Amino acid sequence: EAGVAQSPRYKIIEKRQSVAFWCNPISGHATLYWYQQILGQGPKLLIQFQNNGVVDDSQLPKDRFSAERLKGVDSTLKIQPAKLEDSAVYLCASSPRAGESGELFFGEGSRLTVL
Amino acid sequence: AQSVAQPEDQVNVAEGNPLTVKCTYSVSGNPYLFWYVQYPNRGLQFLLKYITGDNLVKGSYGFEAEFNKSQTSFHLKKPSALVSDSALYFCVSVNDYKLSFGAGTTVTVRA
Repeated sequence: EAGVAQSPRYKIIEKRQSVAFWCNPISGHATLYWYQQILGQGPKLLIQFQNNGVVDDSQLPKDRFSAERLKGVDSTLKIQPAKLEDSAVYLCASSPRAGESGELFFGEGSRLTVL
Repeated sequence: AQSVAQPEDQVNVAEGNPLTVKCTYSVSGNPYLFWYVQYPNRGLQFLLKYITGDNLVKGSYGFEAEFNKSQTSFHLKKPSALVSDSALYFCVSVNDYKLSFGAGTTVTVRA
């Protein structure tokens, strides 16, 4: 079974530039998550999708971050314009359904460096 | 607020010795608690979970965790650590379908 795919693995940009990350979840998984992991911290949820609808985006900085999940499969996370503090690893995860099972399947992440 | 705390940033043990990674929780009602591991340059992996039932939960790679309600703890344990267990470990609570991660504990197992 193929895992969660993310690209690009690494990205270096200058502040005020834009960047986009792509995620392809495990086939059939209805729930998709984007997490931000800053060095030395635990992952923080940015947005959660159930199929193509947003379940939770309360911690997404909506003035610069946006995400979509067209057709309830792939997802894209965009940052525009980037700030220095956006330097982090962006993790995508999926699960068969939302619930207390808590077992998420994570991709390897996209490491962003903002200069 | 539902949260977990990992009091140790780092744990160092010798190979073959017991390994314990500590976690305390602060949740109302019945806690749903998990452990995840992050190996270098790899994605996060689910290790084990406690939802209800036996206080001792067994998971992947020989790990287990003990839920202790009186001490509000959910410590991760392995009787005999391997060098390959060196990784970053996260204690996680789940509430209303949302995962909250602890800050993480870096485990180093020396040969």
